[in-house]
Amino acid sequence: GENVEQHPSTLSVQEGDSAVIKCTYSDSASNYFPWYKQELGKGPQLIIDIRSNVGEKKDQRIAVTLNKTAKHFSLHITETQPEDSAVYFCAGLQAGTASKLTFGTGTRLQVTL
Amino acid sequence: DGGITQSPKYLFRKEGQNVTLSCEQNLNHDAMYWYRQDPGQGLRLIYYSQIVNDFQKGDIAEGYSVSREKKESFPLTVTSAQKNPTAFYLCASSITGATNQPQHFGDGTRLSIL
Repeated sequence: GENVEQHPSTLSVQEGDSAVIKCTYSDSASNYFPWYKQELGKGPQLIIDIRSNVGEKKDQRIAVTLNKTAKHFSLHITETQPEDSAVYFCAGLQAGTASKLTFGTGTRLQVTL
Repeated sequence: DGGITQSPKYLFRKEGQNVTLSCEQNLNHDAMYWYRQDPGQGLRLIYYSQIVNDFQKGDIAEGYSVSREKKESFPLTVTSAQKNPTAFYLCASSITGATNQPQHFGDGTRLSIL
């Protein structure tokens, strides 16, 4: 099955700086990669996703890049703000398995003033 | 407002008891999912249902059971056979069970053993 690895496990940046979180996946047939933000005591919230026919997608301060050859994808947050502090999860969906997502282990992002 | 409602927010179980976690959605989504989240780990799939009256095991189904009698409801029962039930349980739904459909989550139920 699919295996998704996520790095780093914790990340601290100063307000205004950029943050980058990286994930790798094992199954070359995977074709959908969402990113979720989880605040304390809440469920994960979908913030951006990318499909395998696209190399990059951007939504305001958030962007995701996908390298199918290397089997890795990254989340980029620019001009970070304190409210960006949360745990971020990447996930991959294995083709042909309905919507069975495999999640990374999460990155705790702390944006300091 | 449309969304996914999980209840209760906190649940306590005695040894040997079965407990049922509720998940209701008013998004008219066909597919629903149950995940378990443990500290320092990602979400792991317990069960999923692509349509009413049908469901499949996920990666960690042992000790759990589900039903899908109505489109909007997908309750999860944690049975006494689940030896380590303490975790944060998350329910999700998507428009269909087809690939590439975004999943949207509820705010979870935290289950603890007394």
